[in-house]
Amino acid sequence: QKEVEQDPGPLSVPEGAIVSLNCTYSNSAFQYFMWYRQYSRKGPELLMYTYSSGNKEDGRFTAQVDKSSKYISLFIRDSQPSDSATYLCAMRLTGGGNKLTFGTGTQLKVEL
Amino acid sequence: DTGVSQDPRHKITKRGQNVTFRCDPISEHNRLYWYRQTLGQGPEFLTYFQNEAQLEKSRLLSDRFSAERPKGSFSTLEIQRTEQGDSAMYLCASSSDREGTEAFFGQGTRLTVV
Repeated sequence: QKEVEQDPGPLSVPEGAIVSLNCTYSNSAFQYFMWYRQYSRKGPELLMYTYSSGNKEDGRFTAQVDKSSKYISLFIRDSQPSDSATYLCAMRLTGGGNKLTFGTGTQLKVEL
Repeated sequence: DTGVSQDPRHKITKRGQNVTFRCDPISEHNRLYWYRQTLGQGPEFLTYFQNEAQLEKSRLLSDRFSAERPKGSFSTLEIQRTEQGDSAMYLCASSSDREGTEAFFGQGTRLTVV
């Protein structure tokens, strides 16, 4: 079993929809949780970063962390075709040199 | 300085050849990381440096792989005697060592071994 599980999709939604992306993890020691967006043949781009449990909002994006359930989510409101990409969840321990453990990524397509 | 820079962006090599990739981190970042990403998978950690010291290496980093960061600035990743299974995207990232700061990735070097 992988430390971080993420549904690979693909997920296809109409423009304007609310998108929900999720990851589960097994290591309860993870403290920092990130979402990266990766366009085809590009490097990952940091979208959201959360420490421990709670919610964080940035524009159309909301990240949620539930450490008791070992479950993290990313919500995208008013989705746009430009949001079409692969979304990677990542997490790490406190200290540990910022080494990240990634999910497999969810491929999202927002259609006109 | 606009971000992490990697060179080359693409490399095609024949099996058995050696290849070397370069990464230039964000200038004020003292930590540098190498990851490998295969199709349909998330990036997997290979190794990281704090300044010029290589502090951790993954089991994925076989003896054919070597990474250096001689002056604590740019880094190189060399793969000797390449195999078809080495075909992947090699990603470099950098960060500061202040707790709570995150890593920023380069565009990657896509390696194809034929």
